[in-house]
Amino acid sequence: DQQVKQNSPSLSVQEGRISILNCDYTNSMFDYFLWYKKYPAEGPTFLISISSIKDKNEDGRFTVFLNKSAKHLSLHIVPSQPGDSAVYFCAVYNNNDMRFGAGTRLTVKP
Amino acid sequence: EAQVTQNPRYLITVTGKKLTVTCSQNMNHEYMSWYRQDPGLGLRQIYYSMNVEVTDKGDVPEGYKVSRKEKRNFPLILESPSPNQTSLYFCASSPFQGVGELFFGEGSRLTVL
Repeated sequence: DQQVKQNSPSLSVQEGRISILNCDYTNSMFDYFLWYKKYPAEGPTFLISISSIKDKNEDGRFTVFLNKSAKHLSLHIVPSQPGDSAVYFCAVYNNNDMRFGAGTRLTVKP
Repeated sequence: EAQVTQNPRYLITVTGKKLTVTCSQNMNHEYMSWYRQDPGLGLRQIYYSMNVEVTDKGDVPEGYKVSRKEKRNFPLILESPSPNQTSLYFCASSPFQGVGELFFGEGSRLTVL
């Protein structure tokens, strides 16, 4: 039973446009949320995170939004760049339990 | 350079032949963990360790063993590999006990025939 779902396996956007990646979770006990980015033949790298006491966290072109009532988080990338093309994993955490989504492959076309 | 190093990066083996995937980190992190990545399933935790001599099962521990005799090393042992353990494996470490940013190794692709 997957507690974290990324319903879009892939997403394609044009360079300069906004990319929106979505993630849903089932357990309201999760209180810390992260996004990781993975290039081929490399390990995932941390991108951005948010705690449950916030609803938005911004870092340069990357913004994570958290909607606790809907158990939904999203990652916005604006403007998108070709170098952003990668697989993005969302992760949720509570009390030593970190769960990952299946990932969304983002392709940014020049 | 701060890093998590896994070896081997690629391995093809046969059913039943014991193997060990090593993991070493040079960041003095207390927390270390092993994940496997399978298509459509994301990253699933196999085992984790909060500190030396402390290990716990994750979501999919069956068929695996780990040990944490030193802070920097966290090897993953497959005593009798089976084809369903064919996967991409990642070791990770964190300065925090499970929360926050995980630092991942580059991955070890294992094929069991």
